[in-house]
Amino acid sequence: AQSVAQPEDQVNVAEGNPLTVKCTYSVSGNPYLFWYVQYPNRGLQFLLKYITGDNLVKGSYGFEAEFNKSQTSFHLKKPSALVSDSALYFCAVRDRGTNAGKSTFGDGTTLTVKP
Amino acid sequence: DGGITQSPKYLFRKEGQNVTLSCEQNLNHDAMYWYRQDPGQGLRLIYYSQIVNDFQKGDIAEGYSVSREKKESFPLTVTSAQKNPTAFYLCASSVGLLSSYNEQFFGPGTRLTVL
Repeated sequence: AQSVAQPEDQVNVAEGNPLTVKCTYSVSGNPYLFWYVQYPNRGLQFLLKYITGDNLVKGSYGFEAEFNKSQTSFHLKKPSALVSDSALYFCAVRDRGTNAGKSTFGDGTTLTVKP
Repeated sequence: DGGITQSPKYLFRKEGQNVTLSCEQNLNHDAMYWYRQDPGQGLRLIYYSQIVNDFQKGDIAEGYSVSREKKESFPLTVTSAQKNPTAFYLCASSVGLLSSYNEQFFGPGTRLTVL
């Protein structure tokens, strides 16, 4: 079985400061990992994904994420937060072997960036 | 929200009624998905379809039904057997189910409320 944990329900940062949204995963094989963002009453938007290769993945809107196989983590980061980054963020995992195509999502982390 | 449309945006259902949520995509994607989102929880997979005239149950399929008669369309029916249907429903698509490294594109969602 595959699973995702986002240990923080809420992350608060000041505008201009770096931000980190944490994600850990569990799969039986090797993972594909994704980050999505959701604004109120909207669908999810894709930010970035890890497939293979470089552990540091760069995505949309200045976000990046670092894949750490030994810690089974895929934390989302941004060097300088903007108020407009305030939203709900979801981490998702797919096992490359089993459950092909089925994603498991974390419970989400609400990011609030204060001016 | 890309090339996926969902209708209606808001839907009210009386107890004992079946209702159908529409999902249409013009992205030429093979795979389509239905998720349910409840407050404080991640997305839970209801049904998914890899190809026309084929679909599989997700993690919470009881009380729901789907059809995939056309590549572009994947309607979801919430039946009276679903005891707690009030939720936000999200439809998604991806290039291919077996190509599980592809990200999903989400529609804007339908908020269903049982009166």
